[in-house]
Amino acid sequence: GQQLNQSPQSMFIQEGEDVSMNCTSSSIFNTWLWYKQDPGEGPVLLIALYKAGELTSNGRLTAQFGITRKDSFLNISASIPSDVGIYFCAGQYTGTASKLTFGTGTRLQVTL
Amino acid sequence: GAVVSQHPSRVICKSGTSVKIECRSLDFQATTMFWYRQFPKQSLMLMATSNEGSKATYEQGVEKDKFLINHASLTLSTLTVTSAHPEDSSFYICSALEETQYFGPGTRLLVL
Repeated sequence: GQQLNQSPQSMFIQEGEDVSMNCTSSSIFNTWLWYKQDPGEGPVLLIALYKAGELTSNGRLTAQFGITRKDSFLNISASIPSDVGIYFCAGQYTGTASKLTFGTGTRLQVTL
Repeated sequence: GAVVSQHPSRVICKSGTSVKIECRSLDFQATTMFWYRQFPKQSLMLMATSNEGSKATYEQGVEKDKFLINHASLTLSTLTVTSAHPEDSSFYICSALEETQYFGPGTRLLVL
């Protein structure tokens, strides 16, 4: 099935640094979602975006729904060790029975 | 709110046996649940959409006779991997739909 392209694929950063990652698609979506997955666990919803151009924050996380509806980005400010994990974007298009298309994932590792 | 559980969390079985995985929405009713499969270092791939009281809808390439889905109540969906083989070893994750998808903690299946 289709997957969304996420970049970077992985990143090592130092504690306290800001992180940016993005997600691009060849088709448009009506909803963009960002999830975090810890090893051996299911994904946990971080932020949901419902409108093109929308900028939404959740604590140190900020995400934006691209104007073209084909991309989204996630920023994490002042990273901490517990930010370690895999971040997935997911797109949803109205009329597809709420099915999600997941991105390829960005693996984040934070060093002290 | 929006808690989803899975049982078992991990299972080891012999090749040729069948394994049942349960997915429960604990604090809400879910007409629709989804089953995903995730191989190591890969993203989540949707296997099927489970609809309460009706037949599941399978994604292209997923064998419906091998992966039996039953959604008999508004809080429970089950996935049965029939005649499991080593290549079926994977991390199986369910989600339940309440405005957006909330994911279970996953079930790791190892087929020997």
